[in-house]
Amino acid sequence: GQQLNQSPQSMFIQEGEDVSMNCTSSSIFNTWLWYKQEPGEGPVLLIALYKAGELTSNGRLTAQFGITRKDSFLNISASIPSDVGIYFCAGQRGSQGNLIFGKGTKLSVKP
Amino acid sequence: DAGVIQSPRHEVTEMGQEVTLRCKPISGHNSLFWYRQTMMRGLELLIYFNNNVPIDDSGMPEDRFSAKMPNASFSTLKIQPSEPRDSAVYFCASSSGWENTEAFFGQGTRLTVV
Repeated sequence: GQQLNQSPQSMFIQEGEDVSMNCTSSSIFNTWLWYKQEPGEGPVLLIALYKAGELTSNGRLTAQFGITRKDSFLNISASIPSDVGIYFCAGQRGSQGNLIFGKGTKLSVKP
Repeated sequence: DAGVIQSPRHEVTEMGQEVTLRCKPISGHNSLFWYRQTMMRGLELLIYFNNNVPIDDSGMPEDRFSAKMPNASFSTLKIQPSEPRDSAVYFCASSSGWENTEAFFGQGTRLTVV
């Protein structure tokens, strides 16, 4: 079946540092999404990518849709304490509405 | 907009009991998804509906699980009988179109089966 490999599993960084995480797949995806989940809440959409090679920013967040369509990365610049949470990548294959999620990257930021 | 609304937020039940989780999608959205989240397996799609019709229920773990969407503004996920291994956070999400993958999630229902 389809699987998304997300890395790293967790990160402990100092406030102000940049962060990078990525997802890879054995299958081609037509869409990549990045979500953030905070404790006790549902995932919140951060960035959506629809074309191979696309680079999209949302404030301090930047995400790219890999050229091979089998990977994506998310960068966070100048991290702040409220960036703490679990970040999930999600991919959609074909025209179906269902998303396949990665296992998440848990981000901890030390003030 | 109130977003996706799920109830209850927390549910503790005894093994063997029936559990019903409820979801109200965002008004105007015509796709609805039920996910289960556990530490071991992450976020797993259970079933999704488009225009109130179940499209793919291959993620439903077994016959004890069933889901309905009687109208565009309401869906239920039922577990009968419940088992301890069903303990998880169950999320409902909705999106505005068949090909629109920007799904918006509710706050989830944390289910504990003892």
